[in-house]
Amino acid sequence: DVKVTQSSRYLVKRTGEKVFLECVQDMDHENMFWYRQDPGLGLRLIYFSYDVKMKEKGDIPEGYSVSREKKERFSLILESASTNQTSMYLCASARPASTEAFFGQGTRLTVV
Amino acid sequence: TQLLEQSPQFLSIQEGENLTVYCNSSSVFSSLQWYRQEPGEGPVLLVTVVTGGEVKKLKRLTFQFGDARKDSSLHITAAQPGDTGLYLCAGVPAGTYKYIFGTGTRLKVLA
Repeated sequence: DVKVTQSSRYLVKRTGEKVFLECVQDMDHENMFWYRQDPGLGLRLIYFSYDVKMKEKGDIPEGYSVSREKKERFSLILESASTNQTSMYLCASARPASTEAFFGQGTRLTVV
Repeated sequence: TQLLEQSPQFLSIQEGENLTVYCNSSSVFSSLQWYRQEPGEGPVLLVTVVTGGEVKKLKRLTFQFGDARKDSSLHITAAQPGDTGLYLCAGVPAGTYKYIFGTGTRLKVLA
C-alpha cells in the first residue's frame, strides 16, 4: 500500500519560531510537492522537487524553504513563522509525468 | 496565480438531485485529474481525463474533458450523502512542471 507520511497532524507554534514540517514517501517517487490549503483558495503550490537536492519554487514560496537530502524525504521550513502561515499543509509525491499525486494526511499548523 | 478556477465554490443539495461542477482554465493541459478530499485527509484521485472531448464514467459520476483541453466538468447523478466532500481538479499546465490544483468545490448532500 502506497504511503506518504507527514510527521505531525497538528502543530502550534509561536510567531518567529523556525518550523520544520517533514514528509516521507515509500514509493520511490522522484517528484515531491508541498502545498498549503486555505478555504476558497484550494491547494496552492509552495515548492516542489523533481530529484534529490533539486527544488523549484511554486506559486507562493515567500517565507518558506525546502530541503531534499534523500529521495524519500522532503522537508518544508518556515524560517520565521508568522500568523498568516496558519494553514493546512499537504505533502504529495508522484512519478515524473504521472497523472496522479499521492498525498499525506496533512499537517494543520497554527501560528500564535 | 490561480490557473484553474472551479465553480461553484459551494453547493448544498438534497439527496437524489443532480449537479455539475466546472473546472476552467486559459491554459492547455495534457491531462486533468479530479480528486475528492474528506475532512482531515489528503485528496484522493477519482479519475484522469487525457483526450480532448473524453468522457469517463465512475458509477454515478461522469467526467468530461473539454475539446481544447482547457476545461473539465464533473456531473453527479442522483447525489447521495456519501458524495459529500471537497472536489478538486488538478493538472500540469503546458510548458510548466508545476502540478496545480483548482480552487475546489465543497459539496454537501443532505439526506
